[in-house]
Amino acid sequence: DQQVKQNSPSLSVQEGRISILNCDYTNSMFDYFLWYKKYPAEGPTFLISISSIKDKNEDGRFTVFLNKSAKHLSLHIVPSQPGDSAVYFCAASGGTSGTYKYIFGTGTRLKVLA
Amino acid sequence: GAGVSQSPSNKVTEKGKDVELRCDPISGHTALYWYRQSLGQGLEFLIYFQGNSAPDKSGLPSDRFSAERTGGSVSTLTIQRTQQEDSAVYLCASSRPGAPLHFGNGTRLTVT
Repeated sequence: DQQVKQNSPSLSVQEGRISILNCDYTNSMFDYFLWYKKYPAEGPTFLISISSIKDKNEDGRFTVFLNKSAKHLSLHIVPSQPGDSAVYFCAASGGTSGTYKYIFGTGTRLKVLA
Repeated sequence: GAGVSQSPSNKVTEKGKDVELRCDPISGHTALYWYRQSLGQGLEFLIYFQGNSAPDKSGLPSDRFSAERTGGSVSTLTIQRTQQEDSAVYLCASSRPGAPLHFGNGTRLTVT
């Protein structure tokens, strides 16, 4: 039972354009969502998070949008840079999973073309 | 400061052998997690430690897997009688309660 889904395994974007990575979840009790970036041979690094009391959170070039009714969140990167090329994971926690257990999606590989 | 440290970074073992993977969390982080990432898969939750509370072992895939955390700091994940399907990257993470996780670089386990 995949509670957090990233349906696009890969995405290619031209440098300078917007990258939009999507994530869907099934558990309506999730109340905290995060995005992580992972380079090869390294552990995931935290990017940005959002609580369910908000529908948008922005940090520099990164913005996360949350649509609770659709159980959908997205990460926007503007402008995209070649160094953004990595695998991006969304994660969620809360509800019956416990506020501590983070459930991760399968990841989307972003390639930013110079 | 120092991040989460995992050792070894790579481990090749023969099917049927036991392996131990080590994790040194960030100092002061009371929460410690083990995840694994199999080829082409997401991050699969294995086990969670929080302070002196009983660990949440609900993600361990079989009784061949066990983990302990000594003194509320270093953790060891042990896999007994390894199988080829155990091949994966094993990631350790630590955090303050409710805060984002800080991951180590993982141990790549290959069972031949």
